[in-house]
Amino acid sequence: DAGITQSPRHKVTETGTPVTLRCHQTENHRYMYWYRQDPGHGLRLIHYSYGVKDTDKGEVSDGYSVSRSKTEDFLLTLESATSSQTSVYFCAISEGVSETQYFGPGTRLLVL
Amino acid sequence: GQNIDQPTEMTATEGAIVQINCTYQTSGFNGLFWYQQHAGEAPTFLSYNVLDGLEEKGRFSSFLSRSKGYSYLLLKELQMKDSASYLCAVRYSGAGSYQLTFGKGTKLSVIP
Repeated sequence: DAGITQSPRHKVTETGTPVTLRCHQTENHRYMYWYRQDPGHGLRLIHYSYGVKDTDKGEVSDGYSVSRSKTEDFLLTLESATSSQTSVYFCAISEGVSETQYFGPGTRLLVL
Repeated sequence: GQNIDQPTEMTATEGAIVQINCTYQTSGFNGLFWYQQHAGEAPTFLSYNVLDGLEEKGRFSSFLSRSKGYSYLLLKELQMKDSASYLCAVRYSGAGSYQLTFGKGTKLSVIP
């Protein structure tokens, strides 16, 4: 157990509304990641962080922003949600010599 | 981008052995990971290979050939609870902060 929680676990929202997903970790890991998972696409990296206030884009970053003001929290924001952002969102941390990634429980987001 | 290829679906019988293959582009290779993901749950880490050869962990083994860009996950003495998706992920050097590129996953069904 890498001590990762995500909130909310489920959310239904309407197109055009802002949405923020939270990832919280308790073990002071430096690296944190946000992925989305969709049928037929597998896991795709949205953004990642390599320290407080240090973030960078992943493969599918359009329409998403992130913030990391504290080591333990990594926030993913959809500024104006669209139906194409309906997905399951996973947060991950990496740890150990191999920097193996471990995943949080996920957030199911439905944008109507 | 770097394509990670694995079969979409496989079916095997309880008690049998199954091998799930993964091929990837070799340029910049810096480690390969296997994850298990049950339906509706988060991926969980199974194995890590960075050198050629076989890594064994109980009923699960993972093999890597760096020159061939090939890995497989071997599951022995299959149990019904092994029905899940198996994700192959590769880390490439030069990618920021230990990013992983995931295959689309292999859905394994174990039948009685």
